[in-house]
Amino acid sequence: GAVVSQHPSRVICKSGTSVKIECRSLDFQATTMFWYRQFPKQSLMLMATSNEGSKATYEQGVEKDKFLINHASLTLSTLTVTSAHPEDSSFYICSARAGGFSYEQYFGPGTRLTVT
Amino acid sequence: GNSVTQMEGPVTLSEEAFLTINCTYTATGYPSLFWYVQYPGEGLQLLLKATKADDKGSNKGFEATYRKETTSFHLEKGSVQVSDSAVYFCALSDRNDYKLSFGAGTTVTVRA
Repeated sequence: GAVVSQHPSRVICKSGTSVKIECRSLDFQATTMFWYRQFPKQSLMLMATSNEGSKATYEQGVEKDKFLINHASLTLSTLTVTSAHPEDSSFYICSARAGGFSYEQYFGPGTRLTVT
Repeated sequence: GNSVTQMEGPVTLSEEAFLTINCTYTATGYPSLFWYVQYPGEGLQLLLKATKADDKGSNKGFEATYRKETTSFHLEKGSVQVSDSAVYFCALSDRNDYKLSFGAGTTVTVRA
């Protein structure tokens, strides 16, 4: 149980275009989802926290208008990278928490974004 | 604030060697502690966890004990295999906002 999927696993886009990444909890309802960014050989950097039905909370230094997060249902959150540039190329990972007093996060397999 | 400091790598070992990755933390409250593993090209997988002082998490031959007195959560395995080659992340979760704070990660390479 506790499976989180991400789609697509890899995406290549041209500079200036927008890309949407989906994160789904397959067998549980996720009241909270987190989006991370991981640079090569580095740790995960939390970008934002999203709760179902409410606006995402962004970490300091993360551009809200560039990284649009929507958590429309208890099983789906989306991250849209708008007007992508080569410096947005990275590995994006989502995680989901079931809610209540559950502290455990279940991670998706990640999405490799390359902006050319 | 919360922070995690873990041993820098890379670490290279021979098969059947003993592995230790040190992890210490700073937290304002009583966090839960985790070790995550990331195999090449994959996302993070939870390896083990501990939710209170003196708890020992274990999985796949790996162990870590939540030491409140030394604010540590060191990862150990008595006999590593080539398949244990991966990046290992120590992390803590704040019980207030459930956010995870990660250490920098330690790359472990096990040679046959």
